[in-house]
Amino acid sequence: SQQGEEDPQALSIQEGENATMNCSYKTSINNLQWYRQNSGRGLVHLILIRSNEREKHSGRLRVTLDTSKKSSSLLITASRAADTASYFCAIGNSGGSNYKLTFGKGTLLTVNP
Amino acid sequence: DAGITQSPRHKVTETGTPVTLRCHQTENHRYMYWYRQDPGHGLRLIHYSYGVKDTDKGEVSDGYSVSRSKTEDFLLTLESATSSQTSVYFCAISGQTSQETQYFGPGTRLLVL
Repeated sequence: SQQGEEDPQALSIQEGENATMNCSYKTSINNLQWYRQNSGRGLVHLILIRSNEREKHSGRLRVTLDTSKKSSSLLITASRAADTASYFCAIGNSGGSNYKLTFGKGTLLTVNP
Repeated sequence: DAGITQSPRHKVTETGTPVTLRCHQTENHRYMYWYRQDPGHGLRLIHYSYGVKDTDKGEVSDGYSVSRSKTEDFLLTLESATSSQTSVYFCAISGQTSQETQYFGPGTRLLVL
């Protein structure tokens, strides 16, 4: 199945620094999404970027998509301790009759105060 | 958690017993999903529903069945629980304005002894 692979698996930074996470995938996509999961909680949608878009911003988040390299990156600027969480990329595809998301294994981000 | 509840939140059961997990939404979303989350695997789709009484299999459907008799409820049944089904189960919904973005419930921790 089409699964995104996040890199790195874990990232530890200091508060105020920027955090960059990457996602690679193997086949064509309709869109790519990023989700956050705080420990012990459900996933929360952050941002969606469509296959014909190259960059998207939402607050301190910046997502890029390079379909020629089949990769995406999530940049969190001026990180805060509250950004500590796991971040997942999800590949969106309309295979068959229904749209489905396939999630990667995630990047664990730790922001140290 | 976007008007999604899951019950029970925690369950311990024995191998061979049937288990039913419930997902309830108050958002009138058309699509509902069941995922399991395991270390090293990320989230994997078990079953999904695209309407009342309309369901389909996901990536890891063996040993699971689902039912959706009304819009707001999506039940996941483990017919005869096995230790390999010990996991955290998440329900998600989508479709009020777009099928693409999914909203997740808080999760159910299931331990099969």
